Amino acid sequence: GESVGLHLPTLSVQEGDNSIINCAYSNSASDYFIWYKQESGKGPQFIIDIRSNMDKRQGQRVTVLLNKTVKHLSLQIAATQPGDSAVYFCAETHYSGSARQLTFGSGTQLTVLP
Amino acid sequence: NAGVTQTPKFRILKIGQSMTLQCTQDMNHNYMYWYRQDPGMGLKLIYYSVGAGITDKGEVPNGYNVSRSTTEDFPLRLELAAPSQTSVYFCASSYDRDNSPLHFGNGTRLTVT
Repeated sequence: GESVGLHLPTLSVQEGDNSIINCAYSNSASDYFIWYKQESGKGPQFIIDIRSNMDKRQGQRVTVLLNKTVKHLSLQIAATQPGDSAVYFCAETHYSGSARQLTFGSGTQLTVLP
Repeated sequence: NAGVTQTPKFRILKIGQSMTLQCTQDMNHNYMYWYRQDPGMGLKLIYYSVGAGITDKGEVPNGYNVSRSTTEDFPLRLELAAPSQTSVYFCASSYDRDNSPLHFGNGTRLTVT
């Protein structure tokens, strides 16, 4: 079946360093991808999205790269801060019936070390 | 704006009991969703709604029911609670189908014993 997976379940980085979180997807029909951040006890928070007609998109301190050839996307966080510690999910979206549906990966726990 | 509000935050049920998880949003979003999140896992779609009076099944609908009588509210009903329904439940909404991200509530942690 189709799936969205993450390469690493945990990632530890030093404060101030850049973080890279990777995600693989297998649904070739996916055309819209989203990264969410989830802090303990809270719901997922939208970070950045990218459509399949793009290969890079930048936000504030975050960049998402999409490689459709190998069905891979990554989230880069510049100058990682303690407040970035959270679980990060990638999600691919496809259309099912009348609504867009998200398929989430299992998440990567990012820990920022002082 | 409160965004997406879920109640209760925590609940313990005995096997076979019923309950309704409440979800309301004040953003006038047409699309609303219910997801469940099991430990260490991503979110799985239970049900969704594209507007008042319209609902449809997601990936894991068995054991649940929903209704959408108003734009603001999208309650999730568990009729006969089972241990497999122990999870964290998230409600979400979006303005449209294609171009807007989902906004999530802070979840309801449900334990069935």
